[in-house]
Amino acid sequence: GAGVSQSPRYKVAKRGQDVALRCDPISGHVSLFWYQQALGQGPEFLTYFQNEAQLDKSGLPSDRFFAERPEGSVSTLKIQRTQQEDSAVYLCASSFQGGVYNEQFFGPGTRLTVL
Amino acid sequence: SQQGEEDPQALSIQEGENATMNCSYKTSINNLQWYRQNSGRGLVHLILIRSNEREKHSGRLRVTLDTSKKSSSLLITASRAADTASYFCATVNTGANSKLTFGKGITLSVRP
Repeated sequence: GAGVSQSPRYKVAKRGQDVALRCDPISGHVSLFWYQQALGQGPEFLTYFQNEAQLDKSGLPSDRFFAERPEGSVSTLKIQRTQQEDSAVYLCASSFQGGVYNEQFFGPGTRLTVL
Repeated sequence: SQQGEEDPQALSIQEGENATMNCSYKTSINNLQWYRQNSGRGLVHLILIRSNEREKHSGRLRVTLDTSKKSSSLLITASRAADTASYFCATVNTGANSKLTFGKGITLSVRP
């Protein structure tokens, strides 16, 4: 079946613009994660959903970042008033259940460049 | 924040040789996982080792875990050019739900 998909794959925004990044997890996967990967670094956790409930948002760097998953499937990560330091690849991952031993399947990422 | 450090940061070997990559972490963990990332296939899960396990094998991969030293190693035997990628260790920390905490990664180049 299809893997995790993300759109757009590339996004260029002017500083101060709002952006919305979409994640379509694998069908039936309960858990969904967002990570931010800066150039040359490992991914860093942003937020975690189990179905529609956002259980952990401790990694969101500021109140300009907001994520939602209203129907427990597709998720959107929104960044308001983008800054240059927001430039990164945003990765979405899903897993079948929320257990600690469940493999996370990653999407291809959205590369955000803020000018 | 990043969990720890991988070592070396970059590794270049000849096809057919073995590649050993090391990872250290800082906190108590539930399990440790290794991922591979390249431009073609994105981030792909390779292997998971639980905190009560010491060694695990999967095909050409062998991973060890030493919780007393808070370290892990990934061995890739008989490397291939297709193994060229960045490799990350990631931990699921105790009491921290199932989110992954990644290291900075190791760049492996396998020369044909």
